Amino acid sequence: DVKVTQSSRYLVKRTGEKVFLECVQDMDHENMFWYRQDPGLGLRLIYFSYDVKMKEKGDIPEGYSVSREKKERFSLILESASTNQTSMYLCASSGRGTSRHEQYFGPGTRLTVT
Amino acid sequence: GNSVTQMEGPVTLSEEAFLTINCTYTATGYPSLFWYVQYPGEGLQLLLKATKADDKGSNKGFEATYRKETTSFHLEKGSVQVSDSAVYFCACSSSGGSYIPTFGRGTSLIVHP
Repeated sequence: DVKVTQSSRYLVKRTGEKVFLECVQDMDHENMFWYRQDPGLGLRLIYFSYDVKMKEKGDIPEGYSVSREKKERFSLILESASTNQTSMYLCASSGRGTSRHEQYFGPGTRLTVT
Repeated sequence: GNSVTQMEGPVTLSEEAFLTINCTYTATGYPSLFWYVQYPGEGLQLLLKATKADDKGSNKGFEATYRKETTSFHLEKGSVQVSDSAVYFCACSSSGGSYIPTFGRGTSLIVHP
């Protein structure tokens, strides 16, 4: 089974702090994604990566950056956390060929910025 | 781009009731269609999928049929359980171009004993 893990389930940070959210997948997937999930808004794509050191902006990249130095690891960085970044953050991965349409999700990190 | 519309919740049912959650999509070409489920405090899990017209995806007693003529992929289950309480997301992903799925906003299902 595909396993996607995220470094923290719950995180509390202060406004202005630099925040790192880590995601690791163990299925040698090419594609990795970061979403945020907010009530009433569903899932919104922040960034994605289709290869090591490659990244593409999603729908809401402002205030975020990402890093993918190794195939299995995709990090989301909040350079200076703000209260409007309080949210659930979900990491996902997908493979190649027809299976690239199927996403496998981690358990999520609930981030609170105070 | 693609879009997915699913019924707003919450959907509240008694145990053993019949479930339908409606989902319609707009997409170019011949998209693949998915239902994901999110249990409380967890990430999304793929529940079932269908990749071409008239295909029926099924898993854990849930079913959905890819209806190209009505651009729909409604989720059904004949007898729900309390453990089915979760948020259900419909998604579509086009075969050409971007492989990133478009998700609906999710429908919360609450099943009472």
